[in-house]
Amino acid sequence: EVQLQQSGAELVKPGASVKLSCKTSGYTFSNYYMSWLKQMPGQNIEWIGNIYGGNGGTGYNQKFKGKATLTVDKSSSTAYMDLSSLTSEDSAVYFCARWSGWFAYWGQGTLVTVSS
Amino acid sequence: DIMLTQSPATLSVTPGESISLSCRASQSISTNLHWYQQKPNESPRVLIKYASQTISGIPSRFSGSGSGTDFTLNINRVEPEDFSVYYCQQSNSWPLTFGSGTKLEIK
Repeated sequence: EVQLQQSGAELVKPGASVKLSCKTSGYTFSNYYMSWLKQMPGQNIEWIGNIYGGNGGTGYNQKFKGKATLTVDKSSSTAYMDLSSLTSEDSAVYFCARWSGWFAYWGQGTLVTVSS
Repeated sequence: DIMLTQSPATLSVTPGESISLSCRASQSISTNLHWYQQKPNESPRVLIKYASQTISGIPSRFSGSGSGTDFTLNINRVEPEDFSVYYCQQSNSWPLTFGSGTKLEIK
């Protein structure tokens, strides 16, 4: 069974950074892309970027370049997303999702709250 | 970026009714269009891929059609568990984009 287990909720101060994780199981991590997505409360879903589990190759939504950095650790089948220089506009639920042309499997989401 | 416009924004129906939700793309995306259902405080789940292809485990009352710029998600005889938000998403070009969603609510 494919599973994507995301790290817990984060409360961070403005200007700080945070690193989210997405630990996978049930499939060959290096054969698939992982996407990260953002959903603000009651809002639309935005695609942040993709990273290939095999070689760490990335593609980003221009809107999130400089804000998000995607990495992987093949040894633990885990994907990571660093978010930097956080503001209130970064308060949202962040999802990881396995991408195969469509988002077939999703993590449960991580709530990030930016507040002083 | 490709914009996806979903209509209506909200649809009020009675269980047992059959409905259609619309998703219109700002330019042709062939059949690179996928549909998702999201319930409150849950992750989205895919219902239909590539406009009309079924997904294992998804009830047969969900079906999709369309190509180019106009797409439709049909729900045949809505069940109580279907009341949620539905999103379309395109994978024809980068960046990947989603529609703003249609909320299906109980009348």
